[in-house]
Amino acid sequence: EVQLVESGGGLVQPGGSLRLSCVASELRFSHYEMMWVRQAPRRTLEWLAYIDSRGDKILYKDSVEGRFTISRDNDKNSLYLHMNNLSAEDTAIYYCATFDYWIDFWGQGAQVTVSS
Amino acid sequence: QSVLTQPPSVSGAPGQNVTIPCTGSNSNIGGGYNVFWYQQLPGAAPKLLIYLNSNRPSGVPDRFSGSKSGTSASLAITGLQSADEAVYYCQSYDINLSGLKMLFGGGTELTVL
Repeated sequence: EVQLVESGGGLVQPGGSLRLSCVASELRFSHYEMMWVRQAPRRTLEWLAYIDSRGDKILYKDSVEGRFTISRDNDKNSLYLHMNNLSAEDTAIYYCATFDYWIDFWGQGAQVTVSS
Repeated sequence: QSVLTQPPSVSGAPGQNVTIPCTGSNSNIGGGYNVFWYQQLPGAAPKLLIYLNSNRPSGVPDRFSGSKSGTSASLAITGLQSADEAVYYCQSYDINLSGLKMLFGGGTELTVL
């Protein structure tokens, strides 16, 4: 069974930084395009960032471009999201997910709370 | 406010049928972009329910079906069960000056009475 396990979430002060990690198992990670999706409290899903299987093509939602950086390490079956200059509006559950024109598999999510 | 519009909630009794609409525009669903549906059970991550408008992944019961017409799409659930209580999201793509973007509807909470 495919598993995506996020870690690195937590409480961070406004203006702070955080790095999320996602480790994949039971899939050929290096063959998969990946993305990060978040869900703010009582809000819908929001696509944030995309990376192709080799890390050559990267796309961001306009609202996070310049603050968030997506990366991957195929040798470690891992996906990352480095987030800078966080604000209260970034408080959400962050999911890593496989992408194949649609989202096949989702992680269980990592809670990020931005508050002083 | 989402570009893809869904009713906030729908409900039905066990055994009944319900339909959840997803209304878009000519720059997304009406522009030929496919629609996908995800089911999010309470406290869980979303799960793919329907892909490419009307296809079910392995393991999804045939009580769930999807359709698309014009600028809208629909998810139909027949023979409602209490286990179907969840939030359902539609997803498509939109093209504008910034390029092609992934969109989600606002989500519809299904209550089985």
